[in-house]
Amino acid sequence: NAGVTQTPKFQVLKTGQSMTLQCAQDMNHEYMSWYRQDPGMGLRLIHYSVGAGITDQGEVPNGYNVSRSTTEDFPLRLLSAAPSQTSVYFCASSWALNQPQHFGDGTRLSIL
Amino acid sequence: KNEVEQSPQNLTAQEGEFITINCSYSVGISALHWLQQHPGGGIVSLFMLSSGKKKHGRLIATINIQEKHSSLHITASHPRDSAVYICAVNYGGATNKLIFGTGTLLAVQP
Repeated sequence: NAGVTQTPKFQVLKTGQSMTLQCAQDMNHEYMSWYRQDPGMGLRLIHYSVGAGITDQGEVPNGYNVSRSTTEDFPLRLLSAAPSQTSVYFCASSWALNQPQHFGDGTRLSIL
Repeated sequence: KNEVEQSPQNLTAQEGEFITINCSYSVGISALHWLQQHPGGGIVSLFMLSSGKKKHGRLIATINIQEKHSSLHITASHPRDSAVYICAVNYGGATNKLIFGTGTLLAVQP
């Protein structure tokens, strides 16, 4: 069972570089979300999607872009990486509202 | 002030002890989640509840809607229970957005 798959697991970028964090789920879930986890803070929502073609901003969307062209995939793009974006990023999915979310293993991202 | 408050922030217990972790939130919710995160690891959903009590093995989760409070209990704790336990709430609406507490770091010593 693959569940939610995130790639890469680790990445180091230089300030100003762009990159895409990949997230794929094989459970046919409609709801997908991206979170970042920083020391001393709870996970914070970056962007979310309630279905293919529908995305919206979360709590901390600045500097990130998303798209949802298929049910399975929900990539997160860093447009111009900044040191403040150093964090652990988690993708999650659920099949409906108020249902448990399934999390990927995370991507540890460092911006130098 | 975080909308979701957990206590304690850190907890050390001896193997076999009964453990309680608390979560308080500020306004009405549609659901509350308890999650587990092992060091350096991913996040696993333990419970989702909107009322009453749920039990899975040695884990019990309760929620009091009137008091806006939930507890996670671990009976007969074991070193493998060592992890961060995170409380998160759904405030409703059509988005499934979660607001997370900062977590409780539990260490169970043999």
